[in-house]
Amino acid sequence: GENVEQHPSTLSVQEGDSAVIKCTYSDSASNYFPWYKQELGKGPQLIIDIRSNVGEKKDQRIAVTLNKTAKHFSLHITETQPEDSAVYFCAARGTSYGKLTFGQGTILTVHP
Amino acid sequence: DSGVTQTPKHLITATGQRVTLRCSPRSGDLSVYWYQQSLDQGLQFLIQYYNGEERAKGNILERFSAQQFPDLHSELNLSSLELGDSALYFCASSVGAASNQPQHFGDGTRLSIL
Repeated sequence: GENVEQHPSTLSVQEGDSAVIKCTYSDSASNYFPWYKQELGKGPQLIIDIRSNVGEKKDQRIAVTLNKTAKHFSLHITETQPEDSAVYFCAARGTSYGKLTFGQGTILTVHP
Repeated sequence: DSGVTQTPKHLITATGQRVTLRCSPRSGDLSVYWYQQSLDQGLQFLIQYYNGEERAKGNILERFSAQQFPDLHSELNLSSLELGDSALYFCASSVGAASNQPQHFGDGTRLSIL
């Protein structure tokens, strides 16, 4: 089955800096890669997603890049703010209908 | 607010008991997914329903079962509970069953087994 590895497990940055979180996946048939933000006491919130026919997608301060050949994708957050502090999860979905396989999560802390 | 509603928010019970978790999907969504989140296993897919029918199964224990009703709400039943079943249980929904449609999560039910 699909396996998703996520790095780093923790990331600490200063407000205004950029943050990058990387994920690799194992199933070359995977075609959909969402990123979720989870705050304490809340469920995962979809922040951006990318499909396998696209190499990059941007939404304001957030961007995701996908390298299908290397089977990895990354989340880029620019001009970080304290409210960006949360746990971020990458996920991949392949051929098994809607099943999402998640990475282990990255705890992002943005210091004011 | 994702539009996915889960009840109850917290559940405390004892080993050997049975509980039912409820999920109402976003308006218009036909697919419902259940996930378990624990510290050691992370977020794990349990099961998917689409318009009342089971579509995909993950690492769901035989003691666990789910169903989706005609009004599209779903229930996850956990029986013969063990200490290791303590976790957060999330429901997500999407418009269809296709593999590239966004899933939106509820805020979960925290299950504590004493």
